[in-house]
Amino acid sequence: SQELEQSPQSLIVQEGKNLTINCTSSKTLYGLYWYKQKYGEGLIFLMMLQKGGEEKSHEKITAKLDEKKQQSSLHITASQPSHAGIYLCGADIPPSNTGKLIFGQGTTLQVKP
Amino acid sequence: DAMVIQNPRYQVTQFGKPVTLSCSQTLNHNVMYWYQQKSSQAPKLLFHYYDKDFNNEADTPDNFQSRRPNTSFCFLDIRSPGLGDAAMYLCATSRGRNQPQHFGDGTRLSIL
Repeated sequence: SQELEQSPQSLIVQEGKNLTINCTSSKTLYGLYWYKQKYGEGLIFLMMLQKGGEEKSHEKITAKLDEKKQQSSLHITASQPSHAGIYLCGADIPPSNTGKLIFGQGTTLQVKP
Repeated sequence: DAMVIQNPRYQVTQFGKPVTLSCSQTLNHNVMYWYQQKSSQAPKLLFHYYDKDFNNEADTPDNFQSRRPNTSFCFLDIRSPGLGDAAMYLCATSRGRNQPQHFGDGTRLSIL
């Protein structure tokens, strides 16, 4: 079965600093999704990546999928307290047309003012 | 404007007493999902509907059932909740397979 591993598990950064969260898959990724979750709330969709080498940005958050489609990274530039939360990567479970996702265990981000 | 709405946000029930969680959506999406998320863990898919087509995960306990009477609504029924069923239950929708899933705020279920 496919597994997703996120690193680091938790991260504390000073406001204004850049940071990167990684998501590594044991198998080829057909679709990779990044979500943000605040404690006790639902998941907020951030970005979806499907093609090897693809990169997407929204405001100060950039996500990339490597050429081999087994690793994705989420990069936040000039972090702010509003970026704090749990970041989860999710992947389509092969075969790719099931519509089902598995998730990594999450990365907890704290941003110190 | 909330697009995936879960009610209630917090639910307390007694051990063994049936409970129903509800989810509605204004997105007119074909697919609806139910996830269970325990503390500090990743969400785990319980089942999903593609239109009226029900898809159960192999490891979802028989204690958990679902109904989707129409496109907009989906219910999660737990017939005899045990202490191990205390968790956050998340509903999500998507336009189709391999499309982003949009989540509600979840229902936190406590068992006394």
